[in-house]
Amino acid sequence: DVKVTQSSRYLVKRTGEKVFLECVQDMDHENMFWYRQDPGLGLRLIYFSYDVKMKEKGDIPEGYSVSREKKERFSLILESASTNQTSMYLCATRPRLAGGGRYEQYFGPGTRLTVT
Amino acid sequence: GENVEQHPSTLSVQEGDSAVIKCTYSDSASNYFPWYKQELGKGPQLIIDIRSNVGEKKDQRIAVTLNKTAKHFSLHITETQPEDSAVYFCAARIPGAGSYQLTFGKGTKLSVIP
Repeated sequence: DVKVTQSSRYLVKRTGEKVFLECVQDMDHENMFWYRQDPGLGLRLIYFSYDVKMKEKGDIPEGYSVSREKKERFSLILESASTNQTSMYLCATRPRLAGGGRYEQYFGPGTRLTVT
Repeated sequence: GENVEQHPSTLSVQEGDSAVIKCTYSDSASNYFPWYKQELGKGPQLIIDIRSNVGEKKDQRIAVTLNKTAKHFSLHITETQPEDSAVYFCAARIPGAGSYQLTFGKGTKLSVIP
């Protein structure tokens, strides 16, 4: 089974702090994604990475950066946390080659971040 | 880019009844349409998917239908049970080199009333 773990389930940070959210996967998947989930807005893609040290902006990258130094680990960084970044953050992975035409993404359990 | 709209945002059904959730997409090139289920406190999990060369797919009580002409697809859950209560997301993928993304709908909160 694919296992995607996120470093924290709940996190409380203060405005202006630098925040690191970590995601680790054990299935050797090339592609990794960071989403934020807000009520009524669904899942919105922040950044994704298709290989080590490679990254691409998603739909809402402002205020975030990412790091992928190792294949199994993808970090989301909030350089200076703000209250409007209070949200649920979900990490997902996917192999490069889609088996049988399926492009399934495997999600972690999420980190609920509160910025006060 | 792709735009996916999902309706309804909330849905309540009696146990044993059927539930239908509908999604429309904007880009006719989209070729893969998955449905994810998110239970409380968990990340979304794929429950069924369909490719654009198929009109319908079933898996026990769950089915997905696709109408390419109208650019919409639907999730059908029959004989609903309390454990079907969750948030459901539809998504669409545009093919092409470097296309890694899924575009998700905003989600439907399904409540199955015992």
